[in-house]
Parts: sequence; C-alpha cells; structure tokens
Amino acid sequence: EPEVTQTPSHQVTQMGQEVILRCVPISNHLYFYWYRQILGQKVEFLVSFYNNEISEKSEIFDDQFSVERPDGSNFTLKIRSTKLEDSAMYFCAAGGLAQTQYFGPGTRLLVL
Amino acid sequence: GIQVEQSPPDLILQEGANSTLRCNFSDSVNNLQWFHQNPWGQLINLFYIPSGTKQNGRLSATTVATERYSLLYISSSQTTDSGVYFCAVSPGGFKTIFGAGTRLFVKA
Repeated sequence: EPEVTQTPSHQVTQMGQEVILRCVPISNHLYFYWYRQILGQKVEFLVSFYNNEISEKSEIFDDQFSVERPDGSNFTLKIRSTKLEDSAMYFCAAGGLAQTQYFGPGTRLLVL
Repeated sequence: GIQVEQSPPDLILQEGANSTLRCNFSDSVNNLQWFHQNPWGQLINLFYIPSGTKQNGRLSATTVATERYSLLYISSSQTTDSGVYFCAVSPGGFKTIFGAGTRLFVKA
C-alpha cells in the first residue's frame, strides 16, 4: 500500500503554544486531508487541500488552524495557540476526489 | 448533514467465526470506504466501494447505494482482525464523514 509519513509521532506542548504537524504525502496524489481523532472517539474531518488551496473545511477548522504545502512535498497543519481540547491524534491522508484515501500513521498531540 | 450509523458497536468473536458489520447512511454518497484501525491506532484502508461488491482475501464488502447501506463481511476471523472498523462516506465534495465504528475483539 502507498505510504504517507507523518512527523513527529508524538508531541507534548503547553497550552497557548504553536505546533506544526508535518506530513509527506504520496507524490502522485493531488488531494490532501487532515483529520483528528480524540481518544476513544470517531475520526473527524478537518480540511482538504487541492491545488495549493483549501478546497473544503469543517466547522472544527477555525482561525486557530492553518494548512500549507510550502515546498511541494511537505504538507503541514499549524495550530496557532493550542488548547487542552486540541489533544488528539492527527492524521494526514492523501488520495483523490472520489477515490481511496491513504492515511499516515498519525501524530499524537498532548496539550498540557 | 449526513448521518452515518454503524452496527453493532461492539462485537466479540471466537477465532474462526464469521461476522457482518453494517453501515447505514442517511443521504446519497459518491464515495464510501471501509477502514480498519489496528490496536496501534493506524488506519488501514480496506475497501473503496461506493457501490457493488468487492473481495480481498477473507474480507468482502457490498454497498447498495440505492438503499443507503454497506456491509463488511469478515470470514474465518483471526486475532489480528481485532480493532475498530470504520465506515466513511463523502456526500459530495471533499468532506468525509466517519461513522462511530464497530469495535471487534477476536478471541484465540
């Protein structure tokens, strides 16, 4: 199966700090996604990204969140000022519209 | 918005048993996927199946789009099948909605 990689695997941060989560998607895919999963709960869509811009976002994806693909390979999710409730597993996915999405292993974020 | 309901929420099987997991969705979709989340948290895509039937080894899936449901069949279950099975749909556009999952435990 094609591989999506994410770094770091775990991150612990203090409330109010900025965090950047990184993803290296599959090179020949054009659509990229971020999801989060709070412990024990279902996976929630955050944002999709296509052609260097956000194509769709959920109500969770407020002004504290941003995404970019700065160098054509890495795909990043930034949380500007973390809150306790941002603690979750964050997954990056790559795929196509109306096609299979391949998920990375996730970054487990803990906000203290 | 679209609702995705999975049943049963929890399932315990003896190794070697067969099972059927169900996903109901409340509106038409153009994309349906089944995922397995293993005990380490990784999400593995099992099937992309907006309609029809597919098989992959001991797993198969059927989606009846006109009746808004999908079924995942696991035959001859193994302990490594344990984990959470998610159904995820896209009603249109890019947003993907996950169900709450079926938590499966296969006993040796």
